[in-house]
Amino acid sequence: GAGVSQTPSNKVTEKGKYVELRCDPISGHTALYWYRQSLGQGPEFLIYFQGTGAADDSGLPNDRFFAVRPEGSVSTLKIQRTERGDSAVYLCASSPLAGGVHEQYFGPGTRLTVT
Amino acid sequence: GENVEQHPSTLSVQEGDSAVIKCTYSDSASNYFPWYKQELGKRPQLIIDIRSNVGEKKDQRIAVTLNKTAKHFSLHITETQPEDSAVYFCAARSMIKAAGNKLTFGGGTRVLVKP
Repeated sequence: GAGVSQTPSNKVTEKGKYVELRCDPISGHTALYWYRQSLGQGPEFLIYFQGTGAADDSGLPNDRFFAVRPEGSVSTLKIQRTERGDSAVYLCASSPLAGGVHEQYFGPGTRLTVT
Repeated sequence: GENVEQHPSTLSVQEGDSAVIKCTYSDSASNYFPWYKQELGKRPQLIIDIRSNVGEKKDQRIAVTLNKTAKHFSLHITETQPEDSAVYFCAARSMIKAAGNKLTFGGGTRVLVKP
């Protein structure tokens, strides 16, 4: 079946602009995660959704970052007043159930470049 | 919170030799330890995982060992092939309920298999 998809694959924006990154999880997956991966580093957790609600947003770096998942499927990560330090690959992952131990399936990521 | 350290950061091996990557974690309540392989520009893909009730798991040429007392786990790749060249990430999952399936990743190991 279809895997996790993310759009756009690449996004270049100017400092101070607003961006939205989209994630389409695997159909039926309840849990959805956003991670950020800087060059040469491992993914860092940003936020986790269980259904429509954000169960853990402790990884969001500041209030410029916000994410929604209004219908419990597609999620959008929103970044306001972008800064050059926001440049990274933003990865989305989904997993079948919110509880227990389940593999996380990653999307291809969105490479964000802030100029 | 959880902290995962990964060593070495780079590893060069001759084709046919073995490769070993080691990770340590800080949270003794962590119960799930996946390993991901990430090729250049691609998404992380799960290659093997181990749960805290098991000391060792093997899948063809790859194996993972877990020492809960020492809080470390290792990835072993035998009979390495050029297609094993990639960046490998270890991760740990905390049992804290609110964390859901949040993964904490190590910094990655760049493996180069020389033909």
